[in-house]
Amino acid sequence: DAGITQSPRHKVTETGTPVTLRCHQTENHRYMYWYRQDPGHGLRLIHYSYGVKDTDKGEVSDGYSVSRSKTEDFLLTLESATSSQTSVYFCAISDPQGSSYEQYFGPGTRLTVT
Amino acid sequence: KQEVTQIPAALSVPEGENLVLNCSFTDSAIYNLQWFRQDPGKGLTSLLLIQSSQREQTSGRLNASLDKSSGRSTLYIAASQPGDSATYLCAVRSGGYQKVTFGTGTKLQVIP
Repeated sequence: DAGITQSPRHKVTETGTPVTLRCHQTENHRYMYWYRQDPGHGLRLIHYSYGVKDTDKGEVSDGYSVSRSKTEDFLLTLESATSSQTSVYFCAISDPQGSSYEQYFGPGTRLTVT
Repeated sequence: KQEVTQIPAALSVPEGENLVLNCSFTDSAIYNLQWFRQDPGKGLTSLLLIQSSQREQTSGRLNASLDKSSGRSTLYIAASQPGDSATYLCAVRSGGYQKVTFGTGTKLQVIP
């Protein structure tokens, strides 16, 4: 298994509070991604990073920000959590080696906003 | 906008049966296609990746094919086992390499 960890694994928070999720990789992969998974919607990309301090938006980026200060860490911040952000959040990594960009996923973080 | 569809949403088969899972996409200008399995409450596990220039990939009892012109990929599972029970997702990479679109998955149950 690819060395990807996510913390926390479960979190319950109240509406309006800021929340930060962490993704840590030991594979030295260039690209890192944050997805959310919701019933009926599949996985949707929130933000991704293509290098230290280099990030870009995905299709559902409103209300989220990210930071990547080191190759191995990618943080996702919900600036003011809302009930619509209750979801399972997955981090993924990939690398252009061999031009494959094969993605590997972390175990996920289940976030509940009450 | 790329759209990815997986039909059926759920499938139940007896152990030992060979089966095919389908993935359709609307834009044939893809970079690659990746198949995953997801067990309940777990992350996604990569099964196979097919580059746009390839027609198929094999790993053990799994074989994935790709037909870009028709916008289809199939995942063939030979001699299914109860341990194959999971949700299978396909993901298409297109539009600038970092745009990955997922299907909503096929939930497979293999009955002993």
